[in-house]
Amino acid sequence: AQSVTQPDIHITVSEGASLELRCNYSYGATPYLFWYVQSPGQGLQLLLKYFSGDTLVQGIKGFEAEFKRSQSSFNLRKPSVHWSDAAEYFCAVGAGNTGGFKTIFGAGTRLFVKA
Amino acid sequence: NAGVTQTPKFRILKIGQSMTLQCTQDMNHNYMYWYRQDPGMGLKLIYYSVGAGITDKGEVPNGYNVSRSTTEDFPLRLELAAPSQTSVYFCASSYSSSGGSYEQYFGPGTRLTVT
Repeated sequence: AQSVTQPDIHITVSEGASLELRCNYSYGATPYLFWYVQSPGQGLQLLLKYFSGDTLVQGIKGFEAEFKRSQSSFNLRKPSVHWSDAAEYFCAVGAGNTGGFKTIFGAGTRLFVKA
Repeated sequence: NAGVTQTPKFRILKIGQSMTLQCTQDMNHNYMYWYRQDPGMGLKLIYYSVGAGITDKGEVPNGYNVSRSTTEDFPLRLELAAPSQTSVYFCASSYSSSGGSYEQYFGPGTRLTVT
């Protein structure tokens, strides 16, 4: 069965520092992988996605993520965090040929940014 | 495009009452979903639909019902509300085809309290 683990419930970084949010998945085939961001009181917004091809994917707001099949990971990174990045971040995995439904979301990582 | 809209934004129900959460999308997406999000938890899929007239259960369907009479609308019905249904409910939609991108677009959510 598919599963997604985000090991960090919350992370605090200083503004301007680099960020890495961890995501590990379990799925038998090549997964469809997503990172979403949720600002307080808002719905989720897609940051980036990976289906195939280049394992380093670029997203919006300066985020990137790298798919590592050997580690079953899809970690999200940003070189320099801004105060506006404070939000909750969700990693998600979709089924190989039906990624539009039964997408499984991780429990989320809340990012705090300190001045 | 308005995207995915949900009404109401907030609602307080008494135990045993019923209500319908409305969801509409104007992106002509074939897939639609209902999730609930409990504090500190990820998203749990309640029901989903792959097209008008077709619905299926997700991970936590008990206590809920859905219908999909049109492509645009996907209402969620709560019958006999219980305190365990206190949550934030998100509707989402996506387009799926052989060349589809599978990312989901989320509404702003409905915060429901059952007392």
